[in-house]
Amino acid sequence: GESVGLHLPTLSVQEGDNSIINCAYSNSASDYFIWYKQESGKGPQFIIDIRSNMDKRQGQRVTVLLNKTVKHLSLQIAATQPGDSAVYFCAENMGRGSARQLTFGSGTQLTVLP
Amino acid sequence: DAGVIQSPRHEVTEMGQEVTLRCKPISGHNSLFWYRQTMMRGLELLIYFNNNVPIDDSGMPEDRFSAKMPNASFSTLKIQPSEPRDSAVYFCASSGGGAQETQYFGPGTRLLVL
Repeated sequence: GESVGLHLPTLSVQEGDNSIINCAYSNSASDYFIWYKQESGKGPQFIIDIRSNMDKRQGQRVTVLLNKTVKHLSLQIAATQPGDSAVYFCAENMGRGSARQLTFGSGTQLTVLP
Repeated sequence: DAGVIQSPRHEVTEMGQEVTLRCKPISGHNSLFWYRQTMMRGLELLIYFNNNVPIDDSGMPEDRFSAKMPNASFSTLKIQPSEPRDSAVYFCASSGGGAQETQYFGPGTRLLVL
């Protein structure tokens, strides 16, 4: 079946460097994507979203890029800080009408090194 | 503003016992989601309500699981009888416009079935 997947399960970056977390999706009909951050012992926290009619969206220190041609999504975090250490999930919105639902990827563990 | 509220935060029970998890969505949100998170399977959607009506329960593992939403501000997820393989973190999320809108997650209930 179609699913959302992540290229790397773990990512370590130096504090102050930029981080890039990647996500591949296979459902060409998906039109809405969300990145969530999950810290240990907490629920997923919304970071940023993007709809399929856009290819880039920026937030505070974060940028999401969407490449529909190759079905690829990425989250860029600028000047990574220790507080950014967490698991990052991409989620893909699938389905039609009231049956639309989010399907989550397996997550990438980001570790920020001092 | 209060986010999604879940109780209890932790639950330890013995196999065969009934477990009831509770959720209060964000005020004004009309969609509520129950998810289960495990290391093996990641984040899985169990059931989704829209305007208090169950829309998609295809993710509910089996008849031992049931969910209700008697009103717009309260939902329960019940497991009866519980089994060790039900041990997981259960999250409730709500959104203002169904699955195509951003979902906001609660802190989760950590369930351990012995």
